[in-house]
Amino acid sequence: GESVGLHLPTLSVQEGDNSIINCAYSNSASDYFIWYKQESGKGPQFIIDIRSNMDKRQGQRVTVLLNKTVKHLSLQIAATQPGDSAVYFCAEWVASGSRLTFGEGTQLTVNP
Amino acid sequence: NAGVTQTPKFQVLKTGQSMTLQCAQDMNHNSMYWYRQDPGMGLRLIYYSASEGTTDKGEVPNGYNVSRLNKREFSLRLESAAPSQTSVYFCASQSGTGGDYGYTFGSGTRLTVV
Repeated sequence: GESVGLHLPTLSVQEGDNSIINCAYSNSASDYFIWYKQESGKGPQFIIDIRSNMDKRQGQRVTVLLNKTVKHLSLQIAATQPGDSAVYFCAEWVASGSRLTFGEGTQLTVNP
Repeated sequence: NAGVTQTPKFQVLKTGQSMTLQCAQDMNHNSMYWYRQDPGMGLRLIYYSASEGTTDKGEVPNGYNVSRLNKREFSLRLESAAPSQTSVYFCASQSGTGGDYGYTFGSGTRLTVV
């Protein structure tokens, strides 16, 4: 069936390094993708989104890349900080389904 | 500026007991959702309500019922709790229908069924 998943369950980086979190999706009809950050004990928070007709979008210290050819999505965090430690989820929106489908999540740990 | 408020934050139930998880949003959003989150897994949709007066099943609706009481409130009921329903439950709301209308999540209810 259609699904959204992540390549790696955990990622550990040094403070100041760049982080790359990956996501694979299988539904070619997905028209919107969103990255969420979830800190321990809290609900997911919106980070950045991208439409399916785009291949790159930049925010503050974050960039999302979309490769529709291989159905791959990535989140890049520049100059990773301890406050970036969290679980990151990608989610896809398919208009016909009218709701978001979430991937399993990647735990990002930033070492000082 | 409360956003999405969930109550209670923590709950322990015995197998077979019933309870209702409450969710309220003050952003005048049309759509509301209930997700569950289990260790090592993403969020799975239980039920959703695209607008006041409508509800639909998500991926994992068995063992749950919902009520969209009004535009603000969307409750989730467990009629006879089972250990498999031990999870963290998140409510979310969305101002419109479409991927470009972001979800706002509550802080979650951690439920343990013993």
